[in-house]
Amino acid sequence: DGGITQSPKYLFRKEGQNVTLSCEQNLNHDAMYWYRQDPGQGLRLIYYSQIVNDFQKGDIAEGYSVSREKKESFPLTVTSAQKNPTAFYLCASGWTSGSYNEQFFGPGTRLTVL
Amino acid sequence: QKEVEQNSGPLSVPEGAIASLNCTYSDRGSQSFFWYRQYSGKSPELIMFIYSNGDKEDGRFTAQLNKASQYVSLLIRDSQPSDSATYLCAVRLSREFGVAGNKLTFGGGTRVLVKP
Repeated sequence: DGGITQSPKYLFRKEGQNVTLSCEQNLNHDAMYWYRQDPGQGLRLIYYSQIVNDFQKGDIAEGYSVSREKKESFPLTVTSAQKNPTAFYLCASGWTSGSYNEQFFGPGTRLTVL
Repeated sequence: QKEVEQNSGPLSVPEGAIASLNCTYSDRGSQSFFWYRQYSGKSPELIMFIYSNGDKEDGRFTAQLNKASQYVSLLIRDSQPSDSATYLCAVRLSREFGVAGNKLTFGGGTRVLVKP
């Protein structure tokens, strides 16, 4: 099956802990993105990457880190420096060439800080 | 002023009626526009995209783009209870042209309730 997978679906973290959210895609997309969604809110971009070993900060990168060692994988680490990490985290991917800019989303990870 | 704005709703629509959703954007040079549907607790699903002025139809959905007035709308004909969801408008702003990554800017979403 082609698609975007995220794990885990639910994650609970104690304050002061770092946690890593997984995102994998087998759609051969060049670009991958991480968004955060708070209740009743739209999506805010955390980080994005268009090629392996390169990534850029989005609008709310503070307290987060990413890596892009493989085209298929774009894990997000939520560090203890992120002051309010409880949110719904969404990974997306898409092409960077051609006329189309669509992004396709994984199922999401819901993070709760206890 | 937010770069992409939507009325948060809820927009209450009787079953079988037309739901009309609007999205305005501040960047006159924007050229790519997307509508996503998001069910409660789920991730967004792409339902329409439009690049040119005018209408684009796909099944019961019609996207309308008016670049002069800087708005894009989504019509849902013959609304069904299964259409009850939040609809997100996303725009590729002109400041992203020539910048790697094809970034999109999202509105806050409009919640739609279709009542039987």
